Amino acid sequence: KQEVTQIPAALSVPEGENLVLNCSFTDSAIYNLQWFRQDPGKGLTSLLLIQSSQREQTSGRLNASLDKSSGRSTLYIAASQPGDSATYLCAVRGNNNDMRFGAGTRLTVKP
Amino acid sequence: DGGITQSPKYLFRKEGQNVTLSCEQNLNHDAMYWYRQDPGQGLRLIYYSQIVNDFQKGDIAEGYSVSREKKESFPLTVTSAQKNPTAFYLCASSTGQGTTNEKLFFGSGTQLSVL
Repeated sequence: KQEVTQIPAALSVPEGENLVLNCSFTDSAIYNLQWFRQDPGKGLTSLLLIQSSQREQTSGRLNASLDKSSGRSTLYIAASQPGDSATYLCAVRGNNNDMRFGAGTRLTVKP
Repeated sequence: DGGITQSPKYLFRKEGQNVTLSCEQNLNHDAMYWYRQDPGQGLRLIYYSQIVNDFQKGDIAEGYSVSREKKESFPLTVTSAQKNPTAFYLCASSTGQGTTNEKLFFGSGTQLSVL
């Protein structure tokens, strides 16, 4: 059974800092990996999706990488802003179309 | 606007009562899902449906029931058999094509609490 882990559980940084969020998974046989943002009491908003054949995806200040062989993905946020404060979740879609989520990293960007 | 609508935003359940959470999508997606989110935990799959009139149990289906009579709608009933129903419930959908670029879209969630 696929296990998805996100470390750290919480992260606090000053505004303007570049930061990296980590996601690891135990089974490398995946279709894709998706990063989401969740604000308190809200649903999940999709940020980036990396297909199994891809190594990275970029959107604005966000860059997500995927290394299937090591079972890792990172989400890089450049020049962080207070508006980036939220919980970031990664989810892995397995070859059986099963979706597994990490518990998330709660990010706080201080002005 | 295309998207997923969940209602109500907040719901309270009395002891022994069944309650139903609504989920409607206008994205023309075949697949729909219900997840439960507890503080500090990842999302856990309750039920999913790949096509109208068909659905499968997820990891934590006990105490829940669903129906899929229309492509657009996938209501979730939390029955009295669910002894710990307090959680944030999220509905999601995807194309259901099973391709590597299949993306999951979410509604805004329903917070269920026990009175």
